[in-house]
Amino acid sequence: AQSVSQHNHHVILSEAASLELGCNYSYGGTVNLFWYVQYPGQHLQLLLKYFSGDPLVKGIKGFEAEFIKSKFSFNLRKPSVQWSDTAEYFCAVNAQSNTGKLIFGQGTTLQVKP
Amino acid sequence: EPEVTQTPSHQVTQMGQEVILRCVPISNHLYFYWYRQILGQKVEFLVSFYNNEISEKSEIFDDQFSVERPDGSNFTLKIRSTKLEDSAMYFCASSKDRSNGEKLFFGSGTQLSVL
Repeated sequence: AQSVSQHNHHVILSEAASLELGCNYSYGGTVNLFWYVQYPGQHLQLLLKYFSGDPLVKGIKGFEAEFIKSKFSFNLRKPSVQWSDTAEYFCAVNAQSNTGKLIFGQGTTLQVKP
Repeated sequence: EPEVTQTPSHQVTQMGQEVILRCVPISNHLYFYWYRQILGQKVEFLVSFYNNEISEKSEIFDDQFSVERPDGSNFTLKIRSTKLEDSAMYFCASSKDRSNGEKLFFGSGTQLSVL
């Protein structure tokens, strides 16, 4: 069965620190990969996605992620975090099923200290 | 920007009671979904709905759960007889097309607490 693992459950950083959140998935076929963010009290928002092509994808607010097929990984990065990046981050996979069914990781809570 | 709205934001119920969670998808969307997240666990797919019928459902979505689109505007999730383990954040989502995940819009969620 497909699954998604996020290795960091709770990350605390100071402003301007660099961020990397790990995400690994298990699925042997072609996948679409996503990172969602949920700010406190708000809905899930799409940060970035990978479907095909350049494995380094850039999203909103300075985030980027790199798809490494051999490692089944899609790690999220940001060179310099801000206090406003405090949120919960979810990695998700869609196995091109055309059903809108996403398999989510357990989420990572990021707390950025001013 | 259009939004998926969910009401209420927080619902408390007694075990064994029926609850209905409401969602108003984006107006021209045709595909609708429910997900849930139990505290400390993953966001899990429950069900997808299109053309007034269920397209796909997960193992979680048993006979206690049902969905409907009663009036062409709302999309509801009903839990017939709630259990303690139904306590979770329930997210509604919608998309205009048969989505591969790219164009899903999520609501803010309803926190269901079963006592």
